[in-house]
Amino acid sequence: GDSVTQMEGPVTLSEEAFLTINCTYTATGYPSLFWYVQYPGEGLQLLLKATKADDKGSNKGFEATYRKETTSFHLEKGSVQVSDSAVYFCASADVNRDDKIIFGKGTRLHILP
Amino acid sequence: DAGITQSPRHKVTETGTPVTLRCHQTENHRYMYWYRQDPGHGLRLIHYSYGVKDTDKGEVSDGYSVSRSKTEDFLLTLESATSSQTSVYFCATAPTGTFQETQYFGPGTRLLVL
Repeated sequence: GDSVTQMEGPVTLSEEAFLTINCTYTATGYPSLFWYVQYPGEGLQLLLKATKADDKGSNKGFEATYRKETTSFHLEKGSVQVSDSAVYFCASADVNRDDKIIFGKGTRLHILP
Repeated sequence: DAGITQSPRHKVTETGTPVTLRCHQTENHRYMYWYRQDPGHGLRLIHYSYGVKDTDKGEVSDGYSVSRSKTEDFLLTLESATSSQTSVYFCATAPTGTFQETQYFGPGTRLLVL
């Protein structure tokens, strides 16, 4: 069945380091892809999304490109801040799955000052 | 941001008791969802609603029921709580429920079943 796989955490980086969180998906169709972020004690909120191949989603300095050939949607940021500490979820949604979202297991990110 | 509230925010209950969690939204979104979040599993869909009195099961619906009598309210009931239902429960909403659409999440309810 369809799935989303993202790198295990926790990931610990120093402030201003480069961030990559890997995400790959399996799907029978052409899903939309999302990154959601969960700050401590809060619900999830959309960080960015891409709805077709080669689209790049971006927000708050984060970027991810929908790569159909590698079935990937890796999250990147050039210079992380302490305020980026959170749990990041990769997700996909597909019309072939009645539009339902599948979430990855989440990656916890710690940024040290 | 969609105005989504959940109540209660925290609850401790005993095995075998019924529990009802409430989700309230002020955005007039048609679709509403209940998820549970557990370590190592991410978020998993319990039930969802595509309109008043229209609901369907998600991937982990056993032991849960839902009701939606008004657009703004979506209730999740644990009919007889078990320790395996200790979790954090999130409600989410979406305007039309299509696969390209963002979902908007509430702040969550932390439930402990003793």
